[in-house]
Amino acid sequence: QKEVEQNSGPLSVPEGAIASLNCTYSDRVSQSFFWYRQYSGKSPELIMSIYSNGDKEDGRFTAQLNKASQYVSLLIRDSQPSDSATYLCAVNGDTDKLIFGTGTRLQVFP
Amino acid sequence: GAGVSQTPSNKVTEKGKYVELRCDPISGHTALYWYRQSLGQGPEFLIYFQGTGAADDSGLPNDRFFAVRPEGSVSTLKIQRTERGDSAVYLCASSFVGSGSGGELFFGEGSRLTVL
Repeated sequence: QKEVEQNSGPLSVPEGAIASLNCTYSDRVSQSFFWYRQYSGKSPELIMSIYSNGDKEDGRFTAQLNKASQYVSLLIRDSQPSDSATYLCAVNGDTDKLIFGTGTRLQVFP
Repeated sequence: GAGVSQTPSNKVTEKGKYVELRCDPISGHTALYWYRQSLGQGPEFLIYFQGTGAADDSGLPNDRFFAVRPEGSVSTLKIQRTERGDSAVYLCASSFVGSGSGGELFFGEGSRLTVL
């Protein structure tokens, strides 16, 4: 079983819709959870971090964490074509080693 | 510049050759990470430094790979006897604190390695 699993996509949504990206992880001791965005040909950049169960909102982005289900999600409201990118879920356990999923490719069409 | 700097940006080598990839982290960042990324995949963890020491090298695929950070700043990833399967983009990232403390990783632009 992979440590961090994501659906590779592509996930296609129309402009203005809500994009929902999901991630599961295997290590129950994981404490820190991150979403990175990676544009084609570029390096990853952090967009959200979450550490406790529940929702965390930042502008159009909401991260959701359920440790009992070992599940992390990212919602993007009012999706824009500029949101088209690969979204990487990253999780670390009881060390500072950060493990990434394979990423979900999001396409927002006008 | 203020960001993470990686050199070379592009390296083409022949199978069996030795390669060094350099990473200059953001000043003051004590944590430094090396990843490699193949097309369509997420970054694959290789090694993590806290200061001068390798805190976790469990991702290094075999003994042909080695990394150092002698003064706690610049790091070099060394690959001996390169193989075609080593071809990938090698990403370096630094952080003020480790990710376990919620540290944000800042990535360099990567070094694209092609082994012919």
